[in-house]
Amino acid sequence: QKEVEQNSGPLSVPEGAIASLNCTYSDRGSQSFFWYRQYSGKSPELIMSIYSNGDKEDGRFTAQLNKASQYVSLLIRDSQPSDSATYLCAVNDYKLSFGAGTTVTVRA
Amino acid sequence: DTGVSQDPRHKITKRGQNVTFRCDPISEHNRLYWYRQTLGQGPEFLTYFQNEAQLEKSRLLSDRFSAERPKGSFSTLEIQRTEQGDSAMYLCASSLEGQGPYEQYFGPGTRLTVT
Repeated sequence: QKEVEQNSGPLSVPEGAIASLNCTYSDRGSQSFFWYRQYSGKSPELIMSIYSNGDKEDGRFTAQLNKASQYVSLLIRDSQPSDSATYLCAVNDYKLSFGAGTTVTVRA
Repeated sequence: DTGVSQDPRHKITKRGQNVTFRCDPISEHNRLYWYRQTLGQGPEFLTYFQNEAQLEKSRLLSDRFSAERPKGSFSTLEIQRTEQGDSAMYLCASSLEGQGPYEQYFGPGTRLTVT
């Protein structure tokens, strides 16, 4: 069983819509959760971190964490073509475990 | 602050050759990590340092791989007797213990192709 699972993509959304990305993890003791954005051929870029249950908003991004359900999600509001990328969910305090990523395409 | 830098950005080598990659972390960061990423997968943890001490190595890090971080500054990752299966993007990340717990920032990566 993989440690971190992400919803399979690709995910195609129209410009201006909400993109919803989901991630589940197996280690119930995990305390730190991150979302990275990775453009094709580039390295991962940290866009959100969340440590407590509930929602955390940063601009057009909202991360949601539910430790009881071992579930973390990322919402991208008002999606823009520049949001087209692969989004990686990462879990744990130092030795990050990554999901395989969900590729998002925002169509104009 | 300058970000994490890695050198070289691309490396093509023949099977059996040795290669060495360098990573310079964000200047005040005391933790440095190496990951490997293959196409369609997320990065996989290889090893990490706190200052100059190598604290953990993944089982992925065979005895052909060695990493060092002399004086707790830059780090090198060496692969001896490269194999085609070593072809991947090698990513370095750094973090500051105690600041926004364990937020890791990645360098641009070194893409290795073994022919």
